[in-house]
Amino acid sequence: DIVLTQSPGTLSLSPGERATLSCRASQSVAGNYLAWYQQQPGQAPRLLIDGASNRATGIPDRFSGSGSGTDFSLTISRLEPEDFAVYYCQQYGRSSHTFGQGTKVEI
Amino acid sequence: QPELQESGPGLVKPSDTLSLTCSVSGVSIITTSYSWGWLRQPPGKGLEWIGTISYTGTTYYSPSLTGRVTLSFDASKNHFSLKINSVTATDTAMYFCAKRISGPYYSFPFDIWGQGTMLTVSS
Repeated sequence: DIVLTQSPGTLSLSPGERATLSCRASQSVAGNYLAWYQQQPGQAPRLLIDGASNRATGIPDRFSGSGSGTDFSLTISRLEPEDFAVYYCQQYGRSSHTFGQGTKVEI
Repeated sequence: QPELQESGPGLVKPSDTLSLTCSVSGVSIITTSYSWGWLRQPPGKGLEWIGTISYTGTTYYSPSLTGRVTLSFDASKNHFSLKINSVTATDTAMYFCAKRISGPYYSFPFDIWGQGTMLTVSS
């Protein structure tokens, strides 16, 4: 199985700042099937990005994804108060899925 | 827009079988290219994929749970189910059901999630 390692574990920033989150895979992610989710406390994850760089429906354009192969990143251009949350990357092959351990973006 | 709702007992005893159901509304679970998954999140920890069942009934399971887990669906009730046998305290978690789309030449992540149901394993 592909292992995903996210860094940093915690990112301490202020509203209006730029956040860059990293996700590194133990082997190349086929088809760039790499997604990013946001999870607020007590809620289900919300899909932000699929295919490494495609914003999901309704996701603001301050969220952007990039990368290919084994190195991927999620950038939040200007943090809004509602963006402080935990973010997970996920590879979603046809028959298996794995998640990174998460990055917490905190004020 | 499909909606998913998990239901389950809340508490199971060690060595028992855990059974959860995900009721789907707004779309048929046998819609071509749709797949339905179960995921879980232990308290304070990250997300773990448990397994997926496609609209044809094909199942895929996490290697860490293969042998203990079974996914199935009932098209007449438009719901799908999860069973995990021989549960231990490490199976205590919030359990989510979710929908994705996939086919021979394309794959999408889980885009619609239920709100989750907490399951505790304790005597």
